[in-house]
Amino acid sequence: GAVVSQHPSRVICKSGTSVKIECRSLDFQATTMFWYRQFPKKSLMLMATSNEGSKATYEQGVEKDKFLINHASLTLSTLTVTSAHPEDSSFYICSASGGPGYNEQFFGPGTRLTVL
Amino acid sequence: QKEVEQNSGPLSVPEGAIASLNCTYSDRVSQSFFWYRQYSGKSPELIMSIYSNGDKEDGRFTAQLNKASQYVSLLIRDSQPSDSATYLCAVKDGNNRLAFGKGNQVVVIP
Repeated sequence: GAVVSQHPSRVICKSGTSVKIECRSLDFQATTMFWYRQFPKKSLMLMATSNEGSKATYEQGVEKDKFLINHASLTLSTLTVTSAHPEDSSFYICSASGGPGYNEQFFGPGTRLTVL
Repeated sequence: QKEVEQNSGPLSVPEGAIASLNCTYSDRVSQSFFWYRQYSGKSPELIMSIYSNGDKEDGRFTAQLNKASQYVSLLIRDSQPSDSATYLCAVKDGNNRLAFGKGNQVVVIP
């Protein structure tokens, strides 16, 4: 149980384009999903917390207009990197938590974004 | 977010030995603690969670928690080459967010 998928696993795009990443909880209802970014040899950096049906809460320093998060259902959250630039190249990972009584966060396999 | 410290450098252990990893945290009210394993190029995988003081064993892994000292550790017994990875300590805050340490790289030498 507790399987989280992400799509796509890898994406290469040109500077200025937008990229959408999907995160799905496959076998449980995720009341909360989290989006992280990880640079090489660094730890995970939380970008935002997403609760189903409400606006995402962004961490300090994360531009909400650049990283659009939508959590439209209990099994799906999306992160859209708008007008991507080379400095946005990173490993983006989502995690999902099943609400009260479900204490653990389970991570998706991640999406490696390369912006040329 | 609150601080989670994992200060040790890369840890090399012979196959079959015990690997010991330590983590301290700053938020005294934290109640939930986790160890994740992350292979190079992959996302973190939950291997242990611990919520009460004392030891918790799961297979070859033992997590130890001491809330008074704000300290959580992970022991890997009978280390295998497949245990070679980075181990991340994570502490949950009151807003359900995880704060991660920088990680400890473990290398098991056959």
